[in-house]
Amino acid sequence: DGGITQSPKYLFRKEGQNVTLSCEQNLNHDAMYWYRQDPGQGLRLIYYSQIVNDFQKGDIAEGYSVSREKKESFPLTVTSAQKNPTAFYLCASSSNTDTQYFGPGTRLTVL
Amino acid sequence: QQQVKQSPQSLIVQKGGISIINCAYENTAFDYFPWYQQFPGKGPALLIAIRPDVSEKKEGRFTISFNKSAKQFSLHIMDSQPGDSATYFCAASIEGGSYIPTFGRGTSLIVHP
Repeated sequence: DGGITQSPKYLFRKEGQNVTLSCEQNLNHDAMYWYRQDPGQGLRLIYYSQIVNDFQKGDIAEGYSVSREKKESFPLTVTSAQKNPTAFYLCASSSNTDTQYFGPGTRLTVL
Repeated sequence: QQQVKQSPQSLIVQKGGISIINCAYENTAFDYFPWYQQFPGKGPALLIAIRPDVSEKKEGRFTISFNKSAKQFSLHIMDSQPGDSATYFCAASIEGGSYIPTFGRGTSLIVHP
């Protein structure tokens, strides 16, 4: 059963903590993406990777970090430097730059 | 700079009515225009997509109309149903290139029974 999985579905973070969101895909896609979604803001690109061991900043990369050590995995770390991290985070992948396949999302809440 | 402008931000229609969402783009190099549907608490999923070599594409109750000269494209949902209530995003990209897709800000559609 091919697709993208994200975990956890819900995540709570205390202020000052770093947290890592998992994203795994078995679609054999080269490109992977992280988006942040806030009400009324649409999808904002955080980071993207088009090949293993390479990634690029998106529009709102400050306070976030990523790694791409394997083709299947693209974890996102929300660091304590991100001042307003409460949001819905979406991971996506694509075989090129047309259709993107999204995961189910992780809702992060800062306590 | 918002390269894909989507309107309206929200839309309420009655069951059986027609829902119309519009998008306008600026970059004439865009050559792939998908629409995504997102239900609350879920990730977006591809609904229908069009390339600029055709002016219209229909899949069931969903139709994309494309106007290359005006740099506009729109999603029409015929016979709208309560189950169509969702957020819809348009997007634009350059197929096969390294250009990252640009998304519109989304339209929240509510279909009243």
